[in-house]
Amino acid sequence: AQTVTQSQPEMSVQEAETVTLSCTYDTSESNYYLFWYKQPPSRQMILVIRQEAYKQQNATENRFSVNFQKAAKSFSLKISDSQLGDTAMYFCAFMTPDSNYQLIWGAGTKLIIKP
Amino acid sequence: DADVTQTPRNRITKTGKRIMLECSQTKGHDRMYWYRQDPGLGLRLIYYSFDVKDINKGEISDGYSVSRQAQAKFSLSLESAIPNQTALYFCASSDAGLYNEQFFGPGTRLTVL
Repeated sequence: AQTVTQSQPEMSVQEAETVTLSCTYDTSESNYYLFWYKQPPSRQMILVIRQEAYKQQNATENRFSVNFQKAAKSFSLKISDSQLGDTAMYFCAFMTPDSNYQLIWGAGTKLIIKP
Repeated sequence: DADVTQTPRNRITKTGKRIMLECSQTKGHDRMYWYRQDPGLGLRLIYYSFDVKDINKGEISDGYSVSRQAQAKFSLSLESAIPNQTALYFCASSDAGLYNEQFFGPGTRLTVL
């Protein structure tokens, strides 16, 4: 079975600090896509960053970057210079073409940025 | 205007009632999805549709049905609502491109008493 595990139910850091959220996944497929989604208190689900499994280079989007370790099936999200607006639930998810592109989701990490 | 809209945003109903949640998208996507979110869990797929004539069950389809009325519209029905269907429901759409990136609606919070 394909699964996603986020081992940190909740984290909190001070504003401007760097924080890393963990995600591990399990699949027997070699071709897949990984995502981090953000869900602020407004409930809206927002894509933060994505990574193709065939790419060795880690994806970056402004203050957000990932550490993709394919052999270890690990996909962590690093947020640099954290801001109050980063306070949200963060979900790790992946999909494979062979499973009709269905997104498999982790349970989420609640991130609190303190002023 | 939002690309993916859901109505209603909030709904309280009673056990045994029939409920319909509606979703519309203006992104021209062929693929649409319905998810359910419960506290402490990630999103779980209820149904998905890759075009108007294609409907597929997801992980947790029991107790739900869907209708794809047009490319832009995908509705979710609870024929006889029960309290454990109390949850946050999301609709999403995507194209058939490389990433199949899914764009989400604002969610409908449903409470079944």
